[in-house]
Amino acid sequence: GAVVSQHPSWVICKSGTSVKIECRSLDFQATTMFWYRQFPKQSLMLMATSNEGSKATYEQGVEKDKFLINHASLTLSTLTVTSAHPEDSSFYICSASKWGQPQETQYFGPGTRLLVL
Amino acid sequence: AQTVTQSQPEMSVQEAETVTLSCTYDTSESDYYLFWYKQPPSRQMILVIRQEAYKQQNATENRFSVNFQKAAKSFSLKISDSQLGDAAMYFCAYTRAGHYGGSQGNLIFGKGTKLSVKP
Repeated sequence: GAVVSQHPSWVICKSGTSVKIECRSLDFQATTMFWYRQFPKQSLMLMATSNEGSKATYEQGVEKDKFLINHASLTLSTLTVTSAHPEDSSFYICSASKWGQPQETQYFGPGTRLLVL
Repeated sequence: AQTVTQSQPEMSVQEAETVTLSCTYDTSESDYYLFWYKQPPSRQMILVIRQEAYKQQNATENRFSVNFQKAAKSFSLKISDSQLGDAAMYFCAYTRAGHYGGSQGNLIFGKGTKLSVKP
């Protein structure tokens, strides 16, 4: 199998606070993890790509100081939304590709719904 | 830059009938992969089918099959014997092949097609 979990599944926070979202590959080692953002009724937009032990690569237009990504191990990546504002409210999805397999195959987590009040 | 276009925002099919979802893409690469993902109301992304660009044979997975036309850059999904559980958003996606690390290997998604299945 290839199971990816995310925690929390949903979170409500006050404006100005920081929120951390965890993405874990439960039964495999992930070469690379990806973070996506999805607005209601829209498609997934890639935010950043992270490899274990190295800095994340952010897509154009994504503020790296606002969306901090840490990929400390082959099974865990975290996304921290710093000083969250209502416009950061969205659905955040991570995915992971398996070590030793083509990176083309990505396994998705169930997503985290963030609401900033 | 690579792009993926799904021209049908919404589609509807009668249960047990067949429906085809359209997808076109633009790329200058010769080696790449194409995918169809399903996103039900739970919002969990589920891989439906995967096609390698170097393979001429169309991929099939049970009731799901694709019509891959490389020259036309077209990649449609056919769902046969539609079931109520097939109702979902369907996303077509593209990624370059054979790359590791950095921002390469990321999926580029179309805007999606919402499929409704009528009982």
